[in-house]
Amino acid sequence: DAMVIQNPRYQVTQFGKPVTLSCSQTLNHNVMYWYQQKSSQAPKLLFHYYDKDFNNEADTPDNFQSRRPNTSFCFLDIRSPGLGDAAMYLCATSRVVEETQYFGPGTRLLVL
Amino acid sequence: GQNIDQPTEMTATEGAIVQINCTYQTSGFNGLFWYQQHAGEAPTFLSYNVLDGLEEKGRFSSFLSRSKGYSYLLLKELQMKDSASYLCAVRDSNYQLIWGAGTKLIIKP
Repeated sequence: DAMVIQNPRYQVTQFGKPVTLSCSQTLNHNVMYWYQQKSSQAPKLLFHYYDKDFNNEADTPDNFQSRRPNTSFCFLDIRSPGLGDAAMYLCATSRVVEETQYFGPGTRLLVL
Repeated sequence: GQNIDQPTEMTATEGAIVQINCTYQTSGFNGLFWYQQHAGEAPTFLSYNVLDGLEEKGRFSSFLSRSKGYSYLLLKELQMKDSASYLCAVRDSNYQLIWGAGTKLIIKP
């Protein structure tokens, strides 16, 4: 089945220790998104890629970076996680920005 | 600014019908989405409305009125597994999704 996969599902890191979250897709979609979602809040878009074109949201902290080495994979790098970065990180894809977004299962990040 | 409003929490009884409302003010409109999100899981796509009217999909229906900036999600024959948060999201003129904070739906036996 075509799908969006996120690894790991749960990630524990230490304050200030860099961490990378991974997303892959078999849908062959052009667009990949990273969202941050805290408890009982709306998902917050961090950035998205349209093919290799990177689009950063204006209020995304510099602490968050992303890489998309190929169509299938996209990574979220948190350079120096703070306690406030503990959240669910959601990866989503869409064929083009005008179409429906489909989400992976998410990675829950805990910062100690 | 852009804003999506939906109730924080609703309670309904198994087998009943519930309507979850969503009002929005956005810079342009290019469609409205409803997603279901179970606790600790990712949102899953439920429905999409871009024209006024009702879209029916099994037990779930979604309605849109663009002139009123209003949508609702109607869930019929409620089952315990429908306990989840329901997120309303509007695509604006830049094709960005503007998300509501979600409505937590609690189903009681």
